[in-house]
Amino acid sequence: EPEVTQTPSHQVTQMGQEVILRCVPISNHLYFYWYRQILGQKVEFLVSFYNNEISEKSEIFDDQFSVERPDGSNFTLKIRSTKLEDSAMYFCASRLLAGSNNEQFFGPGTRLTVL
Amino acid sequence: GNSVTQMEGPVTLSEEAFLTINCTYTATGYPSLFWYVQYPGEGLQLLLKATKADDKGSNKGFEATYRKETTSFHLEKGSVQVSDSAVYFCALSVLQAAGNKLTFGGGTRVLVKP
Repeated sequence: EPEVTQTPSHQVTQMGQEVILRCVPISNHLYFYWYRQILGQKVEFLVSFYNNEISEKSEIFDDQFSVERPDGSNFTLKIRSTKLEDSAMYFCASRLLAGSNNEQFFGPGTRLTVL
Repeated sequence: GNSVTQMEGPVTLSEEAFLTINCTYTATGYPSLFWYVQYPGEGLQLLLKATKADDKGSNKGFEATYRKETTSFHLEKGSVQVSDSAVYFCALSVLQAAGNKLTFGGGTRVLVKP
C-alpha cells in the first residue's frame, strides 16, 4: 500500500540554524500539507500546497517557514532560523483530490528538537 | 472559526470495556468529521469519517455518528482490546477552495490494560 514517508525521523539542531524537513507524498496525490504537534498539544495546520503554490497558510507559518516541491516527488518544509518554540513533531500529509470526502494520508512525522 | 473539543485523557480501561470519547465542534460552513488514531511511534491514520448529518462512520469496531443538532461526533467501541491503546484525534474539514485543511482536537490518550 502506498504511504507518505518523511525524513529524518528525528532532527536535533541549534537555535538559529536552518533545517529542512523532507516528505515524499503518495505519488499520484495533488494536495500536500504540513502540520505540527508541540508535545502535549493539539495537531496544528501549517500550510497547504497545490499546483506548485501555497493555497492556504496559518498564522504560525510566518516568514521563517517556506515549502517547496523541488523535483516532483519531494515536498520540503524549511525553517530558516529555528527557535526553541519550533520544537515539535512535524507531519506531512497528502491527498489525491479536493473535497472533504477525500482522505488525507499522513506520514510518520519528524521530531524536531531545537536546543 | 473552526474548532474541535474532545475530552482530555488519559482514559484507562480494562480489556473488553466500553469506550466513549466525546467530541464537539464549531464550524463555519458544513464540515466533514473524522476520527484519526495515532499508535505509538506512528503517524496519524484515518479511523473513520462522516460527511453529512446522521451519517455513521465505522471501522474496526469503532463507530461515530454525525449529530448536527448537538454538533457532536462521539467515538464509541463496545469492547476494547489492548491493541486499541493509542491517541485518538477528532477533526473536521470544511469544503473550501483553498485545500480543505484539517482542524484537530487536542487528542485523547487511551490505555487498555489486559
